[in-house]
Amino acid sequence: KAGVTQTPRYLIKTRGQQVTLSCSPISGHRSVSWYQQTPGQGLQFLFEYFSETQRNKGNFPGRFSGRQFSNSRSEMNVSTLELGDSALYLCASSRGRQISTDTQYFGPGTRLTVL
Amino acid sequence: GESVGLHLPTLSVQEGDNSIINCAYSNSASDYFIWYKQESGKGPQFIIDIRSNMDKRQGQRVTVLLNKTVKHLSLQIAATQPGDSAVYFCAGSSGGSYIPTFGRGTSLIVHP
Repeated sequence: KAGVTQTPRYLIKTRGQQVTLSCSPISGHRSVSWYQQTPGQGLQFLFEYFSETQRNKGNFPGRFSGRQFSNSRSEMNVSTLELGDSALYLCASSRGRQISTDTQYFGPGTRLTVL
Repeated sequence: GESVGLHLPTLSVQEGDNSIINCAYSNSASDYFIWYKQESGKGPQFIIDIRSNMDKRQGQRVTVLLNKTVKHLSLQIAATQPGDSAVYFCAGSSGGSYIPTFGRGTSLIVHP
């Protein structure tokens, strides 16, 4: 079974631009979560989508948004990029039946650099 | 809210030794914990989990211990191998809240 895939793997943008990252979950998984990982803050939860609906949300500004398609693939968008948005963005998928105990499977991440 | 933290940023061990990585949490309502391993250039990989109604859970070469009294959990790796070198995270969640809180991570370095 193929794992979680994320595209692109690396991205360089400048301040003020926007960016869209893509995640394809493991086949059969309906929940997709997004995380931001930085050396200073560690791994922080952005949001989770299940059946095309945002089910949980972390404490990030509205510049960070996402969506999920009917095939469970998900995208996240960051508008008006800031230098501090430079990070590794990780996507994780799970079956989504019981959110509190589902095992999450992470993708390799997208390394975003904002100049 | 919940905070989860690691006691040591780096742990160096010799190949074949047992490793112990510690983690503390602040929210006494936390009832589900996971340990992840993250190798360089990869996303976190699930290792083992434990629910708050358990004190101990064993996997292949790994054991997680949970002490709810002092809000502490540990990951023990038996006969550590060079392939175990990675950053290890603990994560916790409480009640029906899905939102997990991750520790900063401990870098395990295994010397051959």
